Amino acid sequence: GAVVSQHPSWVICKSGTSVKIECRSLDFQATTMFWYRQFPKQSLMLMATSNEGSKATYEQGVEKDKFLINHASLTLSTLTVTSAHPEDSSFYICSARRGQSTDTQYFGPGTRLTVL
Amino acid sequence: DAKTTQPTSMDCAEGRAANLPCNHSTISGNEYVYWYRQIHSQGPQYIIHGLKNNETNEMASLIITEDRKSSTLILPHATLRDTAVYYCIVRAAIGNQFYFGTGTSLTVIP
Repeated sequence: GAVVSQHPSWVICKSGTSVKIECRSLDFQATTMFWYRQFPKQSLMLMATSNEGSKATYEQGVEKDKFLINHASLTLSTLTVTSAHPEDSSFYICSARRGQSTDTQYFGPGTRLTVL
Repeated sequence: DAKTTQPTSMDCAEGRAANLPCNHSTISGNEYVYWYRQIHSQGPQYIIHGLKNNETNEMASLIITEDRKSSTLILPHATLRDTAVYYCIVRAAIGNQFYFGTGTSLTVIP
């Protein structure tokens, strides 16, 4: 149990375009999902916390108008990178947590974004 | 911000126990310690977590000191597939976010 998927696993796009990444909890309902970004040879950096049915909470320094997060259902959260630029190229990883605040986070396999 | 300190890298012989230390001297009384590992270009995999008591599951054991300022993850019989970056995380008490530190790159040597 506790499987989280992401789609796509990798994407290449042109500078200026927008890219949507999906995060799904496959066998449980996730009231809270988290989005992380990881640059090569670096650790994961938390970008935002997404609660179902409410606005996401962004970490300091993360542009909410650039990284749009929607958590419309208990099994799906999406991250849209708007007007992507080469510096947005990174490994984007989501995680999902079940109902209780003390529950463990389960991570997706990640999405590799390359902006040309 | 991450509240943990780990050695940058460690080696372990295959079949031997791997002991990965973590310092979390500023941990609060209601904050849990979590361990995850990340194999290259994959999402982190949950290993184990604890609050005060030592914990054991099919993957590993977690030893937390009595003052809770440090902990050790023990992989009892390391295999080549255990080569990964291991992250020790203190889960925030409010909001329950994970702030990852730099982790320990464990290499299991044949």
